[in-house]
Amino acid sequence: KAGVTQTPRYLIKTRGQQVTLSCSPISGHRSVSWYQQTPGQGLQFLFEYFSETQRNKGNFPGRFSGRQFSNSRSEMNVSTLELGDSALYLCASSFRQGNVVGSQYFGPGTRLLVL
Amino acid sequence: GIQVEQSPPDLILQEGANSTLRCNFSDSVNNLQWFHQNPWGQLINLFYIPSGTKQNGRLSATTVATERYSLLYISSSQTTDSGVYFCAVEGGRETSGSRLTFGEGTQLTVNP
Repeated sequence: KAGVTQTPRYLIKTRGQQVTLSCSPISGHRSVSWYQQTPGQGLQFLFEYFSETQRNKGNFPGRFSGRQFSNSRSEMNVSTLELGDSALYLCASSFRQGNVVGSQYFGPGTRLLVL
Repeated sequence: GIQVEQSPPDLILQEGANSTLRCNFSDSVNNLQWFHQNPWGQLINLFYIPSGTKQNGRLSATTVATERYSLLYISSSQTTDSGVYFCAVEGGRETSGSRLTFGEGTQLTVNP
Protein backbone atom coordinates (compact mmCIF):
# COMPACT_ATOMS: atom_id res chain seq x y z
CA LYS A 1 0.00 0.00 0.00
CA ALA A 2 1.27 3.44 -0.85
CA GLY A 3 1.84 5.74 2.09
CA VAL A 4 0.58 9.23 2.71
CA THR A 5 1.81 11.68 0.10
CA GLN A 6 2.13 15.43 0.42
CA THR A 7 2.84 18.07 -2.18
CA PRO A 8 4.76 20.21 -2.55
CA ARG A 9 7.63 19.17 -0.32
CA TYR A 10 9.12 22.66 -0.06
CA LEU A 11 7.68 26.13 -0.50
CA ILE A 12 9.00 29.64 -0.17
CA LYS A 13 6.47 32.46 0.06
CA THR A 14 6.48 36.08 1.12
CA ARG A 15 4.38 37.73 3.81
CA GLY A 16 0.83 38.44 2.74
CA GLN A 17 0.66 35.69 0.16
CA GLN A 18 -1.47 32.60 0.46
CA VAL A 19 -0.50 28.95 0.09
CA THR A 20 -2.28 25.65 -0.58
CA LEU A 21 -0.86 22.32 0.52
CA SER A 22 -2.13 18.94 -0.62
CA CYS A 23 -2.35 15.54 1.07
CA SER A 24 -3.36 12.17 -0.34
CA PRO A 25 -4.17 9.60 2.36
CA ILE A 26 -3.48 5.89 2.41
CA SER A 27 -5.98 4.04 0.24
CA GLY A 28 -9.06 3.21 2.31
CA HIS A 29 -8.40 5.88 4.94
CA ARG A 30 -11.05 8.58 4.98
CA SER A 31 -9.81 10.63 7.92
CA VAL A 32 -7.13 13.23 7.22
CA SER A 33 -5.59 15.37 9.96
CA TRP A 34 -3.16 18.26 9.64
CA TYR A 35 -0.44 19.28 12.11
CA GLN A 36 2.01 22.16 12.29
CA GLN A 37 5.51 21.67 13.67
CA THR A 38 7.68 24.60 14.75
CA PRO A 39 10.76 24.71 16.99
CA GLY A 40 8.97 26.91 19.50
CA GLN A 41 5.54 25.28 19.70
CA GLY A 42 6.30 21.71 18.76
CA LEU A 43 3.69 19.62 17.00
CA GLN A 44 0.20 21.10 17.11
CA PHE A 45 -3.09 19.83 15.72
CA LEU A 46 -4.71 22.02 13.08
CA PHE A 47 -7.84 20.16 12.00
CA GLU A 48 -9.31 16.86 10.84
CA TYR A 49 -11.49 16.11 7.86
CA PHE A 50 -13.65 13.04 7.45
CA SER A 51 -16.20 12.40 4.72
CA GLU A 52 -15.60 15.89 3.34
CA THR A 53 -16.55 17.48 6.68
CA GLN A 54 -14.36 19.14 9.28
CA ARG A 55 -14.70 16.95 12.36
CA ASN A 56 -12.29 18.61 14.74
CA LYS A 57 -10.36 21.86 14.90
CA GLY A 58 -7.33 23.06 16.84
CA ASN A 59 -6.57 26.51 18.18
CA PHE A 60 -5.44 28.28 15.03
CA PRO A 61 -6.75 31.50 13.50
CA GLY A 62 -9.24 31.52 10.67
CA ARG A 63 -6.42 32.15 8.18
CA PHE A 64 -5.88 28.39 8.35
CA SER A 65 -8.54 26.44 6.52
CA GLY A 66 -8.94 23.15 4.78
CA ARG A 67 -11.19 20.96 2.74
CA GLN A 68 -11.56 17.37 1.70
CA PHE A 69 -12.63 15.94 -1.61
CA SER A 70 -14.79 12.92 -2.36
CA ASN A 71 -11.67 10.79 -2.97
CA SER A 72 -10.48 11.69 0.58
CA ARG A 73 -7.63 13.88 -0.66
CA SER A 74 -7.31 16.99 1.46
CA GLU A 75 -5.96 20.47 1.02
CA MET A 76 -5.11 23.07 3.57
CA ASN A 77 -4.85 26.75 2.84
CA VAL A 78 -3.12 29.52 4.73
CA SER A 79 -4.05 33.05 3.73
CA THR A 80 -2.23 36.29 4.47
CA LEU A 81 0.96 34.50 5.42
CA GLU A 82 2.96 35.70 8.42
CA LEU A 83 6.58 35.02 9.27
CA GLY A 84 5.43 32.80 12.13
CA ASP A 85 3.69 30.47 9.69
CA SER A 86 7.08 29.13 8.65
CA ALA A 87 6.88 25.51 9.72
CA LEU A 88 6.76 21.88 8.73
CA TYR A 89 3.17 20.97 7.90
CA LEU A 90 2.36 17.31 8.38
CA CYS A 91 -0.64 15.40 7.19
CA ALA A 92 -1.83 12.15 8.74
CA SER A 93 -4.38 9.63 7.57
CA SER A 94 -6.27 7.07 9.58
CA PHE A 95 -9.26 4.81 9.68
CA ARG A 96 -12.29 6.24 11.46
CA GLN A 97 -15.55 4.63 12.46
CA GLY A 98 -17.77 6.85 14.56
CA ASN A 99 -15.61 8.25 17.35
CA VAL A 100 -13.07 5.46 17.04
CA VAL A 101 -9.94 6.48 15.19
CA GLY A 102 -7.13 4.08 14.41
CA SER A 103 -3.42 4.63 14.23
CA GLN A 104 -2.44 7.82 12.45
CA TYR A 105 0.11 7.53 9.61
CA PHE A 106 2.05 10.62 8.63
CA GLY A 107 3.26 11.90 5.29
CA PRO A 108 6.73 13.36 4.66
CA GLY A 109 5.54 16.92 5.28
CA THR A 110 5.71 20.24 3.47
CA ARG A 111 8.35 22.71 4.63
CA LEU A 112 7.03 26.25 4.30
CA LEU A 113 9.33 29.23 4.60
CA VAL A 114 7.75 32.68 4.75
CA LEU A 115 10.07 35.58 3.98
CA GLY B 1 -6.76 19.56 27.43
CA ILE B 2 -4.64 16.52 28.03
CA GLN B 3 -0.99 17.11 28.92
CA VAL B 4 1.96 14.97 27.79
CA GLU B 5 5.42 14.99 29.32
CA GLN B 6 8.37 13.07 27.94
CA SER B 7 11.65 12.29 29.61
CA PRO B 8 14.52 12.58 29.28
CA PRO B 9 14.62 15.48 26.81
CA ASP B 10 18.04 14.40 25.55
CA LEU B 11 19.82 11.07 25.61
CA ILE B 12 23.28 10.18 24.31
CA LEU B 13 24.26 6.53 24.01
CA GLN B 14 27.05 4.40 22.66
CA GLU B 15 26.08 1.92 19.99
CA GLY B 16 24.90 -1.30 21.57
CA ALA B 17 23.48 0.28 24.71
CA ASN B 18 19.88 -0.04 25.88
CA SER B 19 17.56 2.84 26.75
CA THR B 20 14.14 3.60 28.18
CA LEU B 21 12.07 6.61 27.19
CA ARG B 22 9.12 7.67 29.31
CA CYS B 23 5.83 9.38 28.51
CA ASN B 24 3.47 10.63 31.24
CA PHE B 25 -0.02 11.83 30.42
CA SER B 26 -2.59 13.65 32.49
CA ASP B 27 -5.87 11.91 31.65
CA SER B 28 -7.37 8.70 30.31
CA VAL B 29 -6.46 7.99 26.70
CA ASN B 30 -8.13 6.30 23.76
CA ASN B 31 -5.04 6.41 21.60
CA LEU B 32 -1.32 6.49 22.37
CA GLN B 33 1.30 6.32 19.68
CA TRP B 34 5.10 6.40 19.64
CA PHE B 35 6.85 7.94 16.65
CA HIS B 36 10.42 8.36 15.46
CA GLN B 37 11.07 11.52 13.51
CA ASN B 38 13.82 11.03 10.98
CA PRO B 39 16.29 13.78 9.98
CA TRP B 40 14.06 14.71 7.02
CA GLY B 41 11.12 15.36 9.31
CA GLN B 42 8.93 12.38 8.61
CA LEU B 43 7.17 10.78 11.57
CA ILE B 44 7.59 7.04 11.47
CA ASN B 45 5.01 4.95 13.35
CA LEU B 46 6.57 2.77 15.99
CA PHE B 47 3.64 1.63 18.12
CA TYR B 48 -0.08 2.16 18.54
CA ILE B 49 -0.39 1.23 22.20
CA PRO B 50 -3.19 2.74 24.34
CA SER B 51 -2.61 -0.12 26.78
CA GLY B 52 -0.54 -3.25 27.19
CA THR B 53 2.81 -4.30 25.79
CA LYS B 54 4.04 -4.70 22.23
CA GLN B 55 7.36 -5.64 20.70
CA ASN B 56 8.81 -5.06 17.26
CA GLY B 57 12.38 -6.25 16.83
CA ARG B 58 14.70 -4.30 19.10
CA LEU B 59 11.90 -1.97 20.17
CA SER B 60 9.17 -2.61 22.66
CA ALA B 61 6.60 -0.46 24.43
CA THR B 62 4.44 -0.73 27.48
CA THR B 63 1.51 1.48 28.45
CA VAL B 64 0.04 1.35 31.94
CA ALA B 65 -3.15 3.29 31.33
CA THR B 66 -4.31 3.19 34.96
CA GLU B 67 -1.09 4.91 36.05
CA ARG B 68 -0.98 7.20 33.01
CA TYR B 69 2.41 6.42 31.59
CA SER B 70 4.04 4.65 28.69
CA LEU B 71 7.59 3.42 28.21
CA LEU B 72 9.54 2.85 25.00
CA TYR B 73 12.48 0.46 25.23
CA ILE B 74 15.27 0.44 22.69
CA SER B 75 17.73 -2.43 22.97
CA SER B 76 21.13 -2.81 21.30
CA SER B 77 20.89 0.71 19.90
CA GLN B 78 22.29 1.52 16.46
CA THR B 79 23.35 4.84 14.95
CA THR B 80 20.27 4.71 12.74
CA ASP B 81 18.13 4.93 15.89
CA SER B 82 19.22 8.55 16.31
CA GLY B 83 16.52 11.16 16.02
CA VAL B 84 13.60 12.49 18.00
CA TYR B 85 11.11 10.15 19.61
CA PHE B 86 7.61 11.47 20.21
CA CYS B 87 4.79 10.19 22.32
CA ALA B 88 1.34 11.37 21.23
CA VAL B 89 -2.00 10.78 22.91
CA GLU B 90 -5.67 11.34 22.27
CA GLY B 91 -8.15 11.32 25.07
CA GLY B 92 -9.32 13.22 28.09
CA ARG B 93 -12.66 14.94 28.51
CA GLU B 94 -12.64 16.52 25.07
CA THR B 95 -12.01 13.31 23.24
CA SER B 96 -12.90 13.43 19.59
CA GLY B 97 -10.98 10.52 18.23
CA SER B 98 -8.46 12.28 16.07
CA ARG B 99 -6.70 15.07 17.92
CA LEU B 100 -3.24 13.85 18.92
CA THR B 101 -1.43 15.84 21.58
CA PHE B 102 2.32 15.45 21.30
CA GLY B 103 4.98 15.57 23.96
CA GLU B 104 8.10 17.64 23.38
CA GLY B 105 10.09 14.59 22.38
CA THR B 106 13.30 12.88 23.39
CA GLN B 107 16.34 13.69 21.24
CA LEU B 108 18.34 10.46 21.01
CA THR B 109 21.91 10.42 19.74
CA VAL B 110 23.64 7.09 19.26
CA ASN B 111 27.38 7.35 18.76
CA PRO B 112 29.40 4.66 16.96
